[in-house]
Parts: sequence; structure tokens; C-alpha cells
Amino acid sequence: EAQVTQNPRYLITVTGKKLTVTCSQNMNHEYMSWYRQDPGLGLRQIYYSMNVEVTDKGDVPEGYKVSRKEKRNFPLILESPSPNQTSLYFCASSLLGHYNEQFFGPGTRLTVL
Amino acid sequence: GESVGLHLPTLSVQEGDNSIINCAYSNSASDYFIWYKQESGKGPQFIIDIRSNMDKRQGQRVTVLLNKTVKHLSLQIAATQPGDSAVYFCAEKRWHTGNQFYFGTGTSLTVIP
Repeated sequence: EAQVTQNPRYLITVTGKKLTVTCSQNMNHEYMSWYRQDPGLGLRQIYYSMNVEVTDKGDVPEGYKVSRKEKRNFPLILESPSPNQTSLYFCASSLLGHYNEQFFGPGTRLTVL
Repeated sequence: GESVGLHLPTLSVQEGDNSIINCAYSNSASDYFIWYKQESGKGPQFIIDIRSNMDKRQGQRVTVLLNKTVKHLSLQIAATQPGDSAVYFCAEKRWHTGNQFYFGTGTSLTVIP
């Protein structure tokens, strides 16, 4: 089944404890992206990647890191999480040239205490 | 400042009626406008997109209209069904920021049986 998977789906952590949210897609998509969704603010793009070893900042990159060492994986790293990073996070992927048709993962709900 | 995707937050329609979901934007540098649907507990799902040099595009049971004069975008759903109940987001891709996406705040559509 063609899909985007994220792990973990739910995470409660404490301020300052480094964490990684993994994202993997099995559709051979070049474009991958991370969003956060907060009530009343819609989705905001954190980082995106056009292909392996190519990453770019989105609208809200502060406090986050990403890497794209393999085409299928695009992990989101929070080196020192803070309570304002409590949010619902979505990973998405799409084919080169069909960027608008993004396929989203099921989401990761992160709480930082 | 610039605003993206100002939505009315909620909309209720009777099953079988047509739905119109509106979105206003202020930035003129968008090359594409996109509509996504998000069902409860799931990631967003691509519905349809429209290039900024077009006025209208039709899909299966959906039509998107773009009025660049008043910077207004709408999604029309014909013969609305209970399965159409979801939050609908408009999003835009701005050519001058590469392949970065900006989402609106969303409209929650409730279909009354």
C-alpha cells in the first residue's frame, strides 16, 4: 500500500530532551516536507526537501532540524524541545513536478512539558 | 502583513445541497492554489489545484473558481454527501519562495443528513 508513515504517533517529553520523529514514504517521491498544525493557525511548513541531500527552510524552521540521507526517509529532529513546540506534526511527500499533490502521513502528536 | 487563506471557520449544509467554501488571500505572487480535505484524526488529502493564470477548474464533483481581481478562491462541492464532512484548507504555492506552501486556517464543513 502506498503510504507515508510517521513514528511515533504520540509522544510526551520534557523540555530539552532531544527527540526525533521519523517519516518514511514508499512511493519513490522526490519531495518531502514537514508541517505543524496548531488550532486557529492551519498548517505551517517547517522544512522541505526537493531530493536527497537537498533541504530548505519553510515558514517556521526555528528549533527544528531535518536530514535527507535517503530518498524514502525525512526525519524531523528537535535538539532541545520547548513547550511552544507542542503541536500536531505532519510529514508529506509528492512527486517531482507534482508538488501540489502531497500525500500526508497520519500525524504525530507531540507534547513538551 | 500578508494573509493566507482567510476562511469562514464553519459551514453547515444539508445532504444533497451544493457547498461553497471560500478563501481569501492577499499575496499576488502565488503560482498555484490548492484545496485539501482533512477528516477527523487524519492527515490532509489533496482534492484539486488551479494554476494562477486560470479562472476555473473542474474535478469529480468539485469545482474551483479563482478571482484574481478580488483575490478570492472558492471550492464548490456538488450534491454534498455525509462523507464530505471535514475541514477544508486552501493553500498556495508562491513562485518566488521555491516549492514552499502556505496554508489557510480551514473551514469545517458539516453535512446534515
